[in-house]
Amino acid sequence: SQKIEQNSEALNIQEGKTATLTCNYTNYSPAYLQWYRQDPGRGPVFLLLIRENEKEKRKERLKVTFDTTLKQSLFHITASQPADSATYLCALDDTGRRALTFGSGTRLQVQP
Amino acid sequence: EADIYQTPRYLVIGTGKKITLECSQTMGHDKMYWYQQDPGMELHLIHYSYGVNSTEKGDLSSESTVSRIRTEHFPLTLESARPSHTSQYLCASSARTDLKTQYFGPGTRLLVL
Repeated sequence: SQKIEQNSEALNIQEGKTATLTCNYTNYSPAYLQWYRQDPGRGPVFLLLIRENEKEKRKERLKVTFDTTLKQSLFHITASQPADSATYLCALDDTGRRALTFGSGTRLQVQP
Repeated sequence: EADIYQTPRYLVIGTGKKITLECSQTMGHDKMYWYQQDPGMELHLIHYSYGVNSTEKGDLSSESTVSRIRTEHFPLTLESARPSHTSQYLCASSARTDLKTQYFGPGTRLLVL
């Protein structure tokens, strides 16, 4: 069956360090993958999109990699700040599906 | 900040009541979606629409219904609320040419007593 896996345990890091979050998937053939940020009690906010033929994408302090052989995406936040504390969701588009499928997210806590 | 609005933000209601959750967007997006999300859990698609007069059920079975009479408006209705409907409901929209990048509203947190 199709599955998207993100670490269910929260990731705690010190301010200034790089946070790395993982998204693994099985039985999907995504044309692209997206990352969203969700704060408590609010809707997700789009951050980055990476296509299947792109290895890496950057936006300011954010970097996403996409390995279709490993079926994995890594999401990095460099020089992390307490304001980066949130839940980060990955989402896949699979050919023929009507909408994105979201992972359950990983909660990031950046300690000052 | 996305121009997509949901009302009410919070709703506490008794079993058996009929409720309508409102969702409006001012971005002119063709596609709109409703998701259900319990705390700490993934989003589940319950309804989507490709445009006016087009609605379909999503992956998660839901007793709710939706309508799309105007592009900007996508309300969700529960004819008879039950405690099992307690959840957060998120509305989203996307442009036809935008690779399904979705813009979410703030959500409605529903509690059915």
